[in-house]
Amino acid sequence: DTEVTQTPKHLVMGMTNKKSLKCEQHMGHRAMYWYKQKAKKPPELMFVYSYEKLSINESVPSRFSPECPNSSLLNLHLHALQPEDSALYLCASSHGEGGVYGYTFGSGTRLTVV
Amino acid sequence: AQSVSQHNHHVILSEAASLELGCNYSYGGTVNLFWYVQYPGQHLQLLLKYFSGDPLVKGIKGFEAEFIKSKFSFNLRKPSVQWSDTAEYFCAVYNTDKLIFGTGTRLQVFP
Repeated sequence: DTEVTQTPKHLVMGMTNKKSLKCEQHMGHRAMYWYKQKAKKPPELMFVYSYEKLSINESVPSRFSPECPNSSLLNLHLHALQPEDSALYLCASSHGEGGVYGYTFGSGTRLTVV
Repeated sequence: AQSVSQHNHHVILSEAASLELGCNYSYGGTVNLFWYVQYPGQHLQLLLKYFSGDPLVKGIKGFEAEFIKSKFSFNLRKPSVQWSDTAEYFCAVYNTDKLIFGTGTRLQVFP
């Protein structure tokens, strides 16, 4: 299995809703990442988990809350989002922290906040 | 802060034309460099990567890139593009636990 699986593929939520994005990989990768990608823009790093511990938070607002229940799973909990948070949310994983082999990306969750 | 620049924002080519996309990075130390491709509606895929050794790196789908340390550059090339190469191309640099992407170059190839 050489994939990163993200669910759901599409999500529409209101500003008062609470929802979660899920990411799963079974490649034995010990580092996992959340990126945000707006239309026609490059992916922007949000969070880095290394060996199930949060190692980088790129000053992301607290309405985004990451969670890494185990080495294969990464969640992103969403609460009280704003319309400007609408974007493609990408999950990625890599061997260890070094990213020496590059990241494997999932297909993303396209989020629309209404 | 480290940054990656891609000066070609939109490139339009005919099939069989040669391609070169520019990428420059700001960090002067040891870097790991990557090119990713994002086909319309699809996820990011790794084209090629450079860590050390031969500065000319060959990737998938006939792409190659040359690392020129003195110019802080890692340009992507393909001798003859195909319509199926139409996509967004991102250069990225890895340093200090982060993979930082350039702004991307949109390539359109017409038959």
